[in-house]
Amino acid sequence: AQSVTQPDIHITVSEGASLELRCNYSYGATPYLFWYVQSPGQGLQLLLKYFSGDTLVQGIKGFEAEFKRSQSSFNLRKPSVHWSDAAEYFCAVGALWAGSYQLTFGKGTKLSVIP
Amino acid sequence: DVKVTQSSRYLVKRTGEKVFLECVQDMDHENMFWYRQDPGLGLRLIYFSYDVKMKEKGDIPEGYSVSREKKERFSLILESASTNQTSMYLCASSSPGATNTGELFFGEGSRLTVL
Repeated sequence: AQSVTQPDIHITVSEGASLELRCNYSYGATPYLFWYVQSPGQGLQLLLKYFSGDTLVQGIKGFEAEFKRSQSSFNLRKPSVHWSDAAEYFCAVGALWAGSYQLTFGKGTKLSVIP
Repeated sequence: DVKVTQSSRYLVKRTGEKVFLECVQDMDHENMFWYRQDPGLGLRLIYFSYDVKMKEKGDIPEGYSVSREKKERFSLILESASTNQTSMYLCASSSPGATNTGELFFGEGSRLTVL
């Protein structure tokens, strides 16, 4: 069965610093991979997704992620964090289940930003 | 702009009450989902539906039921609410289409408190 691990429950960075959120997945075939962001009290918004092709994908709000098959990882990065990036971030893998693709989510990483 | 709308953002109910959470999407998506989100546990799938009047159990269906009488509407029902069902409930939809990857579109969530 597929699974997603986000090793960091909570990360704190200073505004302007770089950011990397880790995500490792387990899936037997080529995965579809996603990063979602959730601001406090809100639903989840798609940041970026990887289906195939270039392993470095660009998303909204200046985020990017790199798919590394050899490491089963899909880490999210941003070169300079803004205070508005404080949120919870979820990595997910799409896998076949009951005839269609379903997402399995990691437990999330909460990002705090120090002004 | 695509939209998933959850009718109630905040609800407070008493133990034993019947609770309805409504979700409507305007994207003509076949698949709809109900997740529960709790701190430290991430998103857990309660039920999903891949067509009108069809439903499938997710990871934690106990204590819940669902109804899908129209394509655009998916309702989550708590027959007799209990305090351990206090949580954030997220509705999502997706299209199986030619590029079926599992990508989900989320509503803003319904925060339910059961007293």
